[in-house]
Amino acid sequence: SAVISQKPSRDICQRGTSLTIQCQVDSQVTMMFWYRQQPGQSLTLIATANQGSEATYESGFVIDKFPISRPNLTFSTLTVSNMSPEDSSIYLCSVDDSYGTQYFGPGTRLLVL
Amino acid sequence: AQSVAQPEDQVNVAEGNPLTVKCTYSVSGNPYLFWYVQYPNRGLQFLLKYITGDNLVKGSYGFEAEFNKSQTSFHLKKPSALVSDSALYFCAVRDRWRDDKIIFGKGTRLHILP
Repeated sequence: SAVISQKPSRDICQRGTSLTIQCQVDSQVTMMFWYRQQPGQSLTLIATANQGSEATYESGFVIDKFPISRPNLTFSTLTVSNMSPEDSSIYLCSVDDSYGTQYFGPGTRLLVL
Repeated sequence: AQSVAQPEDQVNVAEGNPLTVKCTYSVSGNPYLFWYVQYPNRGLQFLLKYITGDNLVKGSYGFEAEFNKSQTSFHLKKPSALVSDSALYFCAVRDRWRDDKIIFGKGTRLHILP
C-alpha cells in the first residue's frame, strides 16, 4: 500500500485565517481524495483531486472555502479558508490502490479558536 | 440511496472474549465492503475488505468479517479481544459500478476491558 504523509499533523488557528494542508504520497496516483472528520463524526468526502484538472467537490463544499491544488501525481494541498470554529476537524487525504482499496494519511487535526 | 449502518455507538468486551462489531448496508448490486480502524490521534487504517468469493474474510491484527448477502451485513469479528484493540471502527461500502465513492458508517467505539 502507498505511504501517505500529511503536514501539519495538527494546528491551532485563529478565526478568519487560512491553513494549507499538504499531502504527499510515495508513489504516483491518478486521484487523491480529501475528507473531513468533524468531532465525534464519520468521514465526509470534500473533493477528489486529479492531476491537471480542477478538483471535483461534493455537495456542501465549495472551491472558495476549500481550494485544492494538485501540481503533480504525488502531491496535493487543501486550504481551509476564512476559518471559523465550525471548521475544527480532522482533515485526511487518501489514495486508491489498484484493487479499489483506499488508504489514508495520518490526518491533520485543526482547532479554530 | 447508498447507506451504511453501524447500530452500536459503543461495544464493551472483556479481554479474551470474542468480539463482534455490527454493520449493515444498503447498496444495489455487489458493493465492495471494508472495515477501517482509527486509533487515538491516528488516521484510518485499513483492516480488511470483501469483494467476492468466500464469505469469511481475514484481515490485519487477527480480525475477520463475515459477509451475509441475504441480511446485507458485514460484521467484524475477533475470537479473542485484546486491550490494544480498543479503538474506533468504521464500516464502509463502495459501489464501483455507480459513483465509486466510499460511504462510511458513523463508527463504533470498541472498549476492551482488562
